[in-house]
Amino acid sequence: QKEVEQDPGPLSVPEGAIVSLNCTYSNSAFQYFMWYRQYSRKGPELLMYTYSSGNKEDGRFTAQVDKSSKYISLFIRDSQPSDSATYLCAFQGAQKLVFGQGTRLTINP
Amino acid sequence: NAGVTQTPKFQVLKTGQSMTLQCAQDMNHNSMYWYRQDPGMGLRLIYYSASEGTTDKGEVPNGYNVSRLNKREFSLRLESAAPSQTSVYFCASSEAPASGNTIYFGEGSWLTVV
Repeated sequence: QKEVEQDPGPLSVPEGAIVSLNCTYSNSAFQYFMWYRQYSRKGPELLMYTYSSGNKEDGRFTAQVDKSSKYISLFIRDSQPSDSATYLCAFQGAQKLVFGQGTRLTINP
Repeated sequence: NAGVTQTPKFQVLKTGQSMTLQCAQDMNHNSMYWYRQDPGMGLRLIYYSASEGTTDKGEVPNGYNVSRLNKREFSLRLESAAPSQTSVYFCASSEAPASGNTIYFGEGSWLTVV
């Protein structure tokens, strides 16, 4: 079983839609949960960081963590064409930082 | 503020040739990393340096060597390039080892081995 599973997509939605991106993990030692955004031909950049179960909101973005189910999600409200990118989940714990495969998202005007 | 700078951005190599990817960070970070990114595989750690003077293997170290030249610089060397090493390579740095909320990435180096 892989430590981290992320649907690679691609995912294409119309502008204004609510987007849901998801990852599952198997390592109980993971304590910190992150989402990175990667634009085409650029390096990943940290988008959201959290360490507890529940929701964390930042503008149009909400990160959700369910430790009991080993499941994290990123929600994007009122999606914009500028949100088109690859989104990577990441997990930190036991002196490891592990990334998901990334989901390629396209927001169509 | 440059952050993490890696060179070259694009390179084409013939099988068997050698090359070095250079990386420098100006954030006074202790830890530095080299990742490769392939379609459907995500970011895979090649080598990392938790602090100046130390280096360790990551998930996919075969065919690569690294040098932590000083606190700022961390280079990745391919001694005898193979087509399987065609990939996008990212250098990164962070304040502490495996610190997901302080890690910063360079813009990537596209390497093709023919």
